[in-house]
Amino acid sequence: EVQLVESGGGLVQPGRSLRLSCTASGFTFGDYAMSWFRQAPGKGLEWVGFIRSKAYGGTTEYAASVKGRFTISRDDSKSIAYLQMNSLKTEDTAVYYCTRESLWFGEWGSDYWGQGTLVTVSS
Amino acid sequence: AIRMTQSPSSFSASTGDRVTITCRASQGISSYLAWYQQKPGKAPKLLIYAASTLQSGVPSRFSGSGSGTDFTLTISCLQSEDFATYYCQQYYSYPITFGPGTKVDIK
Repeated sequence: EVQLVESGGGLVQPGRSLRLSCTASGFTFGDYAMSWFRQAPGKGLEWVGFIRSKAYGGTTEYAASVKGRFTISRDDSKSIAYLQMNSLKTEDTAVYYCTRESLWFGEWGSDYWGQGTLVTVSS
Repeated sequence: AIRMTQSPSSFSASTGDRVTITCRASQGISSYLAWYQQKPGKAPKLLIYAASTLQSGVPSRFSGSGSGTDFTLTISCLQSEDFATYYCQQYYSYPITFGPGTKVDIK
């Protein structure tokens, strides 16, 4: 059974940093790309960023709203994806989800989602 | 960025109803469209990808169609567990973008 468990969320002051982890099980982690999404309270879904598998270069893509502040990385030996969030702003307050990305007819798409972890940025 | 719109934004329906939600992309995305269902306090769940391919384990009352810019999600016979918010998502190009959601509640 595919499982994704996010951790590391919490209350943080504006301008500070936080690192989220996504621990995967039930599949060969290194074979898949991974993404992060977020959802502000009462709002819709927003893509944060994406990391390809090593077979596809392990490269990353980011939303404009987080580029330069957030970094996605992965440790295939531990089956963990990370989201390093720096210079946090109040508008980064959201539930953060990690997802497994599968190749659907040549493009990556999110087939499994974690349960999410809440990040609150407030003084 | 590709802008996704959905209609309606919300509506009320009864169990047994046939319901259709539409999604439109601001530019052509071929068939690189997915539909997700989200219930309050829960993570989104994939229903359909590639515009019309049913994800494994999803009931056959869900179906999707369309290509290019116009897409639909149909639930053929609404069940109590289907009351939720539905999002379309394009994964044709970065940034990946979602529609604003369609909330289906009980009449």
